[in-house]
Amino acid sequence: KNEVEQSPQNLTAQEGEFITINCSYSVGISALHWLQQHPGGGIVSLFMLSSGKKKHGRLIATINIQEKHSSLHITASHPRDSAVYICAVLSGAGSYQLTFGKGTKLSVIP
Amino acid sequence: KAGVTQTPRYLIKTRGQQVTLSCSPISGHRSVSWYQQTPGQGLQFLFEYFSETQRNKGNFPGRFSGRQFSNSRSEMNVSTLELGDSALYLCASSLGGHQGPLHFGNGTRLTVT
Repeated sequence: KNEVEQSPQNLTAQEGEFITINCSYSVGISALHWLQQHPGGGIVSLFMLSSGKKKHGRLIATINIQEKHSSLHITASHPRDSAVYICAVLSGAGSYQLTFGKGTKLSVIP
Repeated sequence: KAGVTQTPRYLIKTRGQQVTLSCSPISGHRSVSWYQQTPGQGLQFLFEYFSETQRNKGNFPGRFSGRQFSNSRSEMNVSTLELGDSALYLCASSLGGHQGPLHFGNGTRLTVT
């Protein structure tokens, strides 16, 4: 069983819809990253969080450490949000090992 | 500020050969980490360097190695290439550990024939 589970694997939405992508993990972590990967391979870091909630533009990320769960929300989705969203957990204080989810492929249709 | 630069962008090698990939981090970033991405396994952590020291290594065979120079530039080497080593190799830099977001390069796409 993968230590980091993302759901759904694939998501198709109409432009303007509210989107939620979920990430559950089984190990103790010190931080969690949400990454965005566009076709062609480039990866952009969206958020790094260890507690609570962060917001950047139309993107919101939340984490519940006790429940070992994080969500990424996209409000008013747009076709340019189409990408693969990847959750990655950073385990171990003082060490630096990222474990990745398999990603959620999002397609936003105009 | 220049981003993370990886060279080369594309590489084709034959089985048994070795390859060296390069990563130049954002100026001031002392941590460089390497990742392998394949369609089957997704993204996997290879290793991380901070101030020329390897702090952690993922579950990869000893054929995969790396180093970091005093200017924080990093190289990774894969010896005795296998077909399964075909992948996108990504590096990322950060201020170090938990100190900030990761900044990824565009990757080197390695094809082993």
